[in-house]
Amino acid sequence: DTEVTQTPKHLVMGMTNKKSLKCEQHMGHRAMYWYKQKAKKPPELMFVYSYEKLSINESVPSRFSPECPNSSLLNLHLHALQPEDSALYLCASSQERDSYSGNTIYFGEGSWLTVV
Amino acid sequence: GQQLNQSPQSMFIQEGEDVSMNCTSSSIFNTWLWYKQDPGEGPVLLIALYKAGELTSNGRLTAQFGITRKDSFLNISASIPSDVGIYFCAGQLGTGNNRKLIWGLGTSLGVNP
Repeated sequence: DTEVTQTPKHLVMGMTNKKSLKCEQHMGHRAMYWYKQKAKKPPELMFVYSYEKLSINESVPSRFSPECPNSSLLNLHLHALQPEDSALYLCASSQERDSYSGNTIYFGEGSWLTVV
Repeated sequence: GQQLNQSPQSMFIQEGEDVSMNCTSSSIFNTWLWYKQDPGEGPVLLIALYKAGELTSNGRLTAQFGITRKDSFLNISASIPSDVGIYFCAGQLGTGNNRKLIWGLGTSLGVNP
């Protein structure tokens, strides 16, 4: 069982709505990630937080806004999305130690987003 | 840019058969990760490899970190219906904030009971 918990499991939103995806991990990991995944494709990195600071933004449109309230929580705020943004959004975490094993990434079960 | 070549793209086998899939690249990696993803779920880590030449098992699964650090394979022995899913390899380049995880395109596995 994954120790990265994501809510909601499913979300349907209109293009004018504002919604948020939430992620929580209790493994003491200090790096957290948001990925986007389309059907039968590998995950694509969106954002990385390291020690609660945004360290990587893979040129993601501003309609996606990440937030890291503390070391266990990660949110993704959604506003004015497009239908092509419909996908599985995956949260992940890693220890962020100075070792290769410390960077192993563990995923949550994902939030299915449909934009109508 | 860097990319991983994962093969086969898909395979359909009989229950009880052994399965092998691999990933190759022209880049040198410091970590290889193998994930399995069931429909509608997130990827689940199967095996992580950190040293060139490392051979690691997890139940019926065995994976190896290629000696050149440019490739890895995953073997599944005595397949069962619950092995059905998409298997992804991922290789890590760099360290710290410069690290980057490169993904294969996945191997879709079907198992006929």
